[in-house]
Amino acid sequence: DTAVSQTPKYLVTQMGNDKSIKCEQNLGHDTMYWYKQDSKKFLKIMFSYNNKELIINETVPNRFSPKSPDKAHLNLHINSLELGDSAVYFCASSQMGQGTIQQYFGPGTRLTVT
Amino acid sequence: SQQGEEDPQALSIQEGENATMNCSYKTSINNLQWYRQNSGRGLVHLILIRSNEREKHSGRLRVTLDTSKKSSSLLITASRAADTASYFCATDGPDDKIIFGKGTRLHILP
Repeated sequence: DTAVSQTPKYLVTQMGNDKSIKCEQNLGHDTMYWYKQDSKKFLKIMFSYNNKELIINETVPNRFSPKSPDKAHLNLHINSLELGDSAVYFCASSQMGQGTIQQYFGPGTRLTVT
Repeated sequence: SQQGEEDPQALSIQEGENATMNCSYKTSINNLQWYRQNSGRGLVHLILIRSNEREKHSGRLRVTLDTSKKSSSLLITASRAADTASYFCATDGPDDKIIFGKGTRLHILP
């Protein structure tokens, strides 16, 4: 009964390749996020979708393109991978509404670009 | 399950006053972080304190960590309207997993 799942968990690829990371949530949430965790363990927001519409697009290279086929899925496609893209990528979901907006995180995808 | 538990769940104060939020956790940690989330936005990292540190400052933010009590506090001094947001603590432990608390909703009154 995983709430937020990501695939793959590990991804090792060479520079210049194109790869995708998939995220699915079964919580019925209407908002999903992609975060990049840097070497200092900080999470940095990349994208946010609400009901399949892009609402946050931080300063991220154009090589990164999110795709939300439905509100339960938010996939991250990366073109022309670079060494600096190596990181752990986390997907999260939340439900817009009153009060604190608790985010539920996936287990992360560790991307290594060689 | 969430490890961090913020307290209080909601806090309303007058602009200019100081706001204090607390976070308690259950297991050993490497680091503890505080994040802010404005309505409808993603989490924004505020400050990280390592397990061997007791206090850290960043601008109007002051974070303390008491590993013996497994608790941390976030103090925002001279609050402003723009500080209205939800604040989350997050811990990462030996397994490198980051676990977020449920957050404190801070409302700054004009």
